[in-house]
Amino acid sequence: EAEVAQSPRYKITEKSQAVAFWCDPISGHATLYWYRQILGQGPELLVQFQDESVVDDSQLPKDRFSAERLKGVDSTLKIQPAELGDSAMYLCASSFGGFQETQYFGPGTRLLVL
Amino acid sequence: KQEVTQIPAALSVPEGENLVLNCSFTDSAIYNLQWFRQDPGKGLTSLLLIQSSQREQTSGRLNASLDKSSGRSTLYIAASQPGDSATYLCAVRNYGQNFVFGPGTRLSVLP
Repeated sequence: EAEVAQSPRYKITEKSQAVAFWCDPISGHATLYWYRQILGQGPELLVQFQDESVVDDSQLPKDRFSAERLKGVDSTLKIQPAELGDSAMYLCASSFGGFQETQYFGPGTRLLVL
Repeated sequence: KQEVTQIPAALSVPEGENLVLNCSFTDSAIYNLQWFRQDPGKGLTSLLLIQSSQREQTSGRLNASLDKSSGRSTLYIAASQPGDSATYLCAVRNYGQNFVFGPGTRLSVLP
């Protein structure tokens, strides 16, 4: 069964360093989502792509976070500089098309900022 | 702005018991609602997706119902098993909007 791939699974970094996360959605899925999940809370959407275009990045802290999906396939989420409050699980999800579609989630990247 | 709550925050039951998890939302003009399962330190697994025109969806021992007028959804788990232990999240989507997740209910099924 096709799955959403994410790497790395775990990342420990120091405050003010740069970090990057990678996501490869299920083949053929046009829509890709990045979420941030703080321990004990539900995921919050950071950015949504439709193919290579950003559809929604209203909750993305643009002073330090950036995301790209250059060829409309895999995607990278970057944080620079990392802050202590960025410690969280970063989840990637994809769906085939529009809002009626189920989202399929990857295993996530656990980030710890020291 | 849509707000989603889930009660209880945690639940512990003996194996074999039937149980109900609750999800409430403030804006009833939803497009669909989805229930997810999350194992510790893992991603989310989709369980059931209910469109706004539907009243319930069933998959195996799971049944999810939707009452838009009261802003509620319930997830019913029949004959619970230790393998059902996980956090269960509901997510609500309004028209033209993305999912808003609840905080989840942490379920422990004791052997």
